[in-house]
Amino acid sequence: QKEVEQDPGPLSVPEGAIVSLNCTYSNSAFQYFMWYRQYSRKGPELLMYTYSSGNKEDGRFTAQVDKSSKYISLFIRDSQPSDSATYLCAMSARSQGNLIFGKGTKLSVKP
Amino acid sequence: EPEVTQTPSHQVTQMGQEVILRCVPISNHLYFYWYRQILGQKVEFLVSFYNNEISEKSEIFDDQFSVERPDGSNFTLKIRSTKLEDSAMYFCASSSTSGGSFNEQFFGPGTRLTVL
Repeated sequence: QKEVEQDPGPLSVPEGAIVSLNCTYSNSAFQYFMWYRQYSRKGPELLMYTYSSGNKEDGRFTAQVDKSSKYISLFIRDSQPSDSATYLCAMSARSQGNLIFGKGTKLSVKP
Repeated sequence: EPEVTQTPSHQVTQMGQEVILRCVPISNHLYFYWYRQILGQKVEFLVSFYNNEISEKSEIFDDQFSVERPDGSNFTLKIRSTKLEDSAMYFCASSSTSGGSFNEQFFGPGTRLTVL
């Protein structure tokens, strides 16, 4: 079983749609859960992080972690064409630990 | 806004040659990382570096790889004898430290390494 699984998509939605991105994982030691956004041929950029289980909201973005199910989600409300990018989930067991990434989901928001 | 920088942006080399990828982390950061991303695949951890020594490394980071912080600003990744399968985008990242709380890893724009 792979450590972090993420559907690579691609996912295409109309502008204004609600987008749901998900990852599952197998390692119970993960405590830090992150979502990164990556534009083509650029480095990943942190969008949000969550420590342990729970929800976190930042503007149009909501991150959810369910440790009992080993399942994390990122919701994007009122999606915009500028949200078009690859979204990577990443996890770590320690605050300074190495990140384990999912494969990334390529999102395209059509005007 | 401070950022991680990497040079060169693209490196082409012949198989068996040595390459050095360079990174300038954010100035007050103390933790440094190298990751790589083979085209179409996941971003993979290679090595982390703190207090002038390797703190963690992955199975990928074998004897062909080494890291160094030769001065107060640069952080380098050396591949001694490149192989075709080393072709990838290499990302440097850095983070500050504040006890046990979360510290964001800031990524550079990457160096695309092509081994011919």
